[in-house]
Amino acid sequence: DAGITQSPRYKITETGRQVTLMCHQTWSHSYMFWYRQDLGHGLRLIYYSAAADITDKGEVPDGYVVSRSKTENFPLTLESATRSQTSVYFCASRALDRGGTEAFFGQGTRLTVV
Amino acid sequence: GNSVTQMEGPVTLSEEAFLTINCTYTATGYPSLFWYVQYPGEGLQLLLKATKADDKGSNKGFEATYRKETTSFHLEKGSVQVSDSAVYFCALSYNNNDMRFGAGTRLTVKP
Repeated sequence: DAGITQSPRYKITETGRQVTLMCHQTWSHSYMFWYRQDLGHGLRLIYYSAAADITDKGEVPDGYVVSRSKTENFPLTLESATRSQTSVYFCASRALDRGGTEAFFGQGTRLTVV
Repeated sequence: GNSVTQMEGPVTLSEEAFLTINCTYTATGYPSLFWYVQYPGEGLQLLLKATKADDKGSNKGFEATYRKETTSFHLEKGSVQVSDSAVYFCALSYNNNDMRFGAGTRLTVKP
């Protein structure tokens, strides 16, 4: 299906485990983003990528790792999950290289760290 | 730095009431301004946007005007429906990676 999809939609993991959240987009947008959504904070940028093999930190990158070997995929890995990383995670893409301004969001992954 | 402040919720209205959700921003230059809507269990969807001063964005009966002099982008709708119940986010961005969001305002519309 066209668009931006995240998987899984829901995930429960234990403290200290590694977990990877997947994001896939079919538009070939150059820019992709990971946000976390927490009550009272709105959305905060974790990492972003301007193109394949180009990534950079956002506002709250600690404890997260990203990669972008292909334009369409942008996985987010929590190397050793902590309870403070319990959140809803959103992936987004933007066609900034084509003059697009808006961001397109996936449906989110609700992650619970116990 | 760039930031967005929007009115705290939750906001509860009766159907057909008038809606205003305030949004002000702090930024240098001329960012683009957005309102996104998030329905339960879903991601954010663009509701409307404005890219320069005095522009009015509109969609589905919602409107917002880019006011440079007051650094504001208030969201309005003349007559809300139950189906408008959602969380609304104001955001700003330049044409780069940096899109800043407000904390979100939860709207509940009662029949």
